[in-house]
Amino acid sequence: DVKVTQSSRYLVKRTGEKVFLECVQDMDHENMFWYRQDPGLGLRLIYFSYDVKMKEKGDIPEGYSVSREKKERFSLILESASTNQTSMYLCASSDRAGANVLTFGAGSRLTVL
Amino acid sequence: SQQGEEDPQALSIQEGENATMNCSYKTSINNLQWYRQNSGRGLVHLILIRSNEREKHSGRLRVTLDTSKKSSSLLITASRAADTASYFCVAANQAGTALIFGKGTTLSVSS
Repeated sequence: DVKVTQSSRYLVKRTGEKVFLECVQDMDHENMFWYRQDPGLGLRLIYFSYDVKMKEKGDIPEGYSVSREKKERFSLILESASTNQTSMYLCASSDRAGANVLTFGAGSRLTVL
Repeated sequence: SQQGEEDPQALSIQEGENATMNCSYKTSINNLQWYRQNSGRGLVHLILIRSNEREKHSGRLRVTLDTSKKSSSLLITASRAADTASYFCVAANQAGTALIFGKGTTLSVSS
C-alpha cells in the first residue's frame, strides 16, 4: 500500500523554537507539497518541490523553509515558530508523469505556545 | 491564491438522499479532481475528470465538468452516514505544479 508518512501527528512547541516536520513517500513521486489547513481558509500551499534540491514558493512561504535532499523526503522547517503558525500541516506527493493526483499524509497538528 | 470555490460551504442531508456539491475555478486546467477529508485527517483522492471529458462515474460518485463555465459538480447518490466529511475540488494545470484547492464543502449525513 503506497503512502505518504508524516513523522509526527501532534506536536507542541514553544514560540521561537525551530521545528522540523518530516514527510516521506514511497511512491517515487517527483512532486512533493506542503500545505497548511486552517478553519475557514481551506488548504494553502506553503512550498512545493518538483525534483531533488528544487523548491518553489507557494502562496504563503513566509516564516517557512523546506529541504529536499532525497527524492522521497521533503522537510518543512519553521526557523522560529510563532503562535500564528499553529495549524494542521499536510504533506502530499504526486507523479508528474501521471495525472498529478495527490497522495496525502495523515497530517501533523502543530500547536505553538 | 485561492482560485477554487466550492458551493455550498455546508450541506446537511438524510441517509439515502443525494448530495450535490459545486466547484468553480478561474484558471485553465488539465484536469479537475475531487478529494474527501475525514475530520482531522489527510485528504483522499476520489475521482478525476480531464478537461476533455464532460462526465465521469465511479460507484456512487458522478462528476461533471463544464470548461466553458469553469465549473464542476460532484454528485453522491444514496448518501450514507459514512459519507460525512469535507469535500474539496482541485484544479490542476498541465505540469501538476498548480493545484488549486477550494475551501471545501462540509457534508453531514444523518441516519
